[in-house]
Amino acid sequence: DTGVSQDPRHKITKRGQNVTFRCDPISEHNRLYWYRQTLGQGPEFLTYFQNEAQLEKSRLLSDRFSAERPKGSFSTLEIQRTEQGDSAMYLCASSLARLAGGPYEQYFGPGTRLTVT
Amino acid sequence: AQSVTQPDIHITVSEGASLELRCNYSYGATPYLFWYVQSPGQGLQLLLKYFSGDTLVQGIKGFEAEFKRSQSSFNLRKPSVHWSDAAEYFCAVVTGGGNKLTFGTGTQLKVEL
Repeated sequence: DTGVSQDPRHKITKRGQNVTFRCDPISEHNRLYWYRQTLGQGPEFLTYFQNEAQLEKSRLLSDRFSAERPKGSFSTLEIQRTEQGDSAMYLCASSLARLAGGPYEQYFGPGTRLTVT
Repeated sequence: AQSVTQPDIHITVSEGASLELRCNYSYGATPYLFWYVQSPGQGLQLLLKYFSGDTLVQGIKGFEAEFKRSQSSFNLRKPSVHWSDAAEYFCAVVTGGGNKLTFGTGTQLKVEL
């Protein structure tokens, strides 16, 4: 399977703990996105990378959140000092990038469901 | 700011009936629009996309959508729904740099047998 993969699929943690999620994009894709989806809502953009550079961060991404994409391959999303409001599905997507002619579509992984107790 | 509205939170149709899911967007220029489907425990799967050209676009699983600039709409249609189409459907528009997506709140489709 050469799709986007995410690990773990589910994570239950206690408030105040740190968690880290991993995303492995489709191998030739140079763009990688993180979204958050809460119950009854559509996904909301958090941040994106082009190769290893983090080019944009949403205001939703507080100082407790950090994302990396070393070497432009897989990415990690870390949440420090988790709060109950962080409970959500965290989705990763990847795509190619081009300068003109419309965007390439984003391919989504299955998501990591985080529950903070 | 660019936004997407999906007015119907839940829709129930009988198997074999036709389906139309509504999507309205707010965007100044020509939008890049997508429909995604999400089944329980699964990620988002792209059904179809509109960038330019023919305003009626065909997608996978027998779905189609029509872009109507005058109505700022991009409604999703299927002539005959199958029970396996039960899922949540999201309309999305590309917003800003990096081609990030802004999604609607989704429409949950239930199919009655």
